[in-house]
Amino acid sequence: EDQVTQSPEALRLQEGESSSLNCSYTVSGLRGLFWYRQDPGKGPEFLFTLYSAGEEKEKERLKATLTKKESFLHITAPKPEDSATYLCAVRAGSWGKFQFGAGTQVVVTP
Amino acid sequence: NAGVTQTPKFQVLKTGQSMTLQCAQDMNHNSMYWYRQDPGMGLRLIYYSASEGTTDKGEVPNGYNVSRLNKREFSLRLESAAPSQTSVYFCASSGRGQGRETQYFGPGTRLLVL
Repeated sequence: EDQVTQSPEALRLQEGESSSLNCSYTVSGLRGLFWYRQDPGKGPEFLFTLYSAGEEKEKERLKATLTKKESFLHITAPKPEDSATYLCAVRAGSWGKFQFGAGTQVVVTP
Repeated sequence: NAGVTQTPKFQVLKTGQSMTLQCAQDMNHNSMYWYRQDPGMGLRLIYYSASEGTTDKGEVPNGYNVSRLNKREFSLRLESAAPSQTSVYFCASSGRGQGRETQYFGPGTRLLVL
C-alpha cells in the first residue's frame, strides 16, 4: 500500500534559522511528488512538483529536492511569514490519485 | 481568473439533513477532486473525476455522492448528514501547466453536523 510519512510533525524555528522538512514515501510507479503550503483556515497552496531523483525546485526561501525514497523541503533563513503547515503528496500508479502526508507545522518566531 | 471556488463557506446541519457542496474551476482542468480534512487525519480523498462524465470513489466515499456537471463544476452531496461528517471539505482540480502537473485547491467548506 502507498504510504507518505512527513517528519517532524512540528518545527519551531527562530527567524533566520535554516532547517529541512522530510517527506518519505513508498509507492509503486511514482508519477510525481508535490509540496503545498497551508495557512490556518485556508486551502493548501501548490508550491512544487518533482518527478525524478536528483531534481530540485526553488521558490524564494524554499527549495525542494527528491531522491528515490524521500523528498526534502529546505527553508533557508526563514521569516515569520513562512509559518504554515507544509504538506507533501505523491501521485502514483495507473489511477494517479494524490496520497497526502499528515504535514509538518512550522512556526517561525522573530 | 478565480481558480477554484467553493460554496458555501460554512454550514451547520442537523443529523439527517441533506446538502450539496458546490465547486467550480476556471483553469480548464480535466481532473477534479473532493477531500475532507480532519485533525490528525490529513487530507483524505472522497471522490475523484478524471474528466467530464466520469467519477471514481476515493478512500472515504461512504455517505457521499458526486456529480460532474460539466468540465468546470463538480458537486458533492450529503444525502443524510451524520456527526461523523463534521469536517472541512476541499475541492481541487489538477492539470498540466508549463509541462508540470499542478493541483489547486479551493478555500474550503466548514461543515458542522449536530
